[in-house]
Order: sequence, then C-alpha cells, then structure tokens
Amino acid sequence: SQQGEEDPQALSIQEGENATMNCSYKTSINNLQWYRQNSGRGLVHLILIRSNEREKHSGRLRVTLDTSKKSSSLLITASRAADTASYFCATVTNRDDKIIFGKGTRLHILP
Amino acid sequence: DGGITQSPKYLFRKEGQNVTLSCEQNLNHDAMYWYRQDPGQGLRLIYYSQIVNDFQKGDIAEGYSVSREKKESFPLTVTSAQKNPTAFYLCASTSGLSSPLHFGNGTRLTVT
Repeated sequence: SQQGEEDPQALSIQEGENATMNCSYKTSINNLQWYRQNSGRGLVHLILIRSNEREKHSGRLRVTLDTSKKSSSLLITASRAADTASYFCATVTNRDDKIIFGKGTRLHILP
Repeated sequence: DGGITQSPKYLFRKEGQNVTLSCEQNLNHDAMYWYRQDPGQGLRLIYYSQIVNDFQKGDIAEGYSVSREKKESFPLTVTSAQKNPTAFYLCASTSGLSSPLHFGNGTRLTVT
C-alpha cells in the first residue's frame, strides 16, 4: 500500500526558480519525512516534520505539514542544477512500525 | 565512518535460483528495513525488523525471506517463488521511528 502520494510526478524548472512538491497521505501520522535520491543511489534524508509541527526549514528547504488536509509540501528555493533528483515523502503512522514511501517527484533543473 | 553497506552492488542470477542480498550497519541502530524499487517507481516495503530475532512482513513480502540474528546484519533472500525479482533493492536502518532512515547504496538484482 502507498501511504503517501507525491504531486507532480515530474517537474522541470529553470535554475534559480523555486520548486514545490506536494505529498498527500491517507491515515494519521506520527511524522512525515522527505528524502532525495540521485539516480541509482540510496536515499538521503532531508527533513523530518512531526505531526504537531506545521513548518520546518533547513537551508534552502522549507517543509509544511497540514494534518487536517493530510498533506505536506517541500519547497526548494533558488534551485541549482545539483538539485536534479527524485524526491520522496515517507510517513510513519501511529498504528505500526512501518515507514511507507510515496512514488516520488522527479525534479529536473534546467541550466 | 558509520554507515550501511549493501553488497554486492550488482547481482545476476538465473531464474529458479535463490539469492541473498547482504546488508550490514555499524550505526548501532535497532531497526532495519528492506525496500524494493522498480524503474521510475517509489519504494515498496518488503520486511522490517525492530529488534534482533524479530521481524515483520511489509507490503510485498511474498517470495522473500529475512533473518535478524545480529543487530548489525539483516540479509534478504530472494527466493525462486518471487515472480518478478529483477529490481533495485534498498536497505535502511534507524534508531527509532522519530529519527530518519539511513540508506545503503542498494543492490541491483537482475534475474534472467
């Protein structure tokens, strides 16, 4: 079962622009995490936001969480070519120890 | 350096053979996870383990088996019963559900 669903599936923007990706989920969560994956590699953790938090920042990354809408967004500001990657959200529910990933957003930064 | 090591990076097997993928971590993490990723797709949970000598099925456990005899090691066996075993397999560990996952670099398995 896919708990999280990212939107859009793919996104191409010019270098320097902001990129926004969204994640929707189905059941109540303990926390939501965002990860990045470069092609053919393992995932790298970006930000973890807990269910009682609404916004977190890390460098050029900003994550918001709206538990009433069961959704989260990841904003990457002032994008760079090196940001080209796939981005995934993962949810940790309150009912079990599973960490479930969505299908991801493929981000391509155009020079 | 602490981290997770998956080996080998590439693995080729004939249909009908069992194959075991290695995952070792020296992060002293209690919990370990196995995911499968198909081209252009997200990660699907195969098995996970919160503690030594205990593990649970994930969403796609059929055709796979695991063991957790040591804290550091969580090998995954892809059996001949797995109908479509060709995929990218990722192992991860965490100190707890309120902490991030640390991933290995994956094993790409090709079965012909």
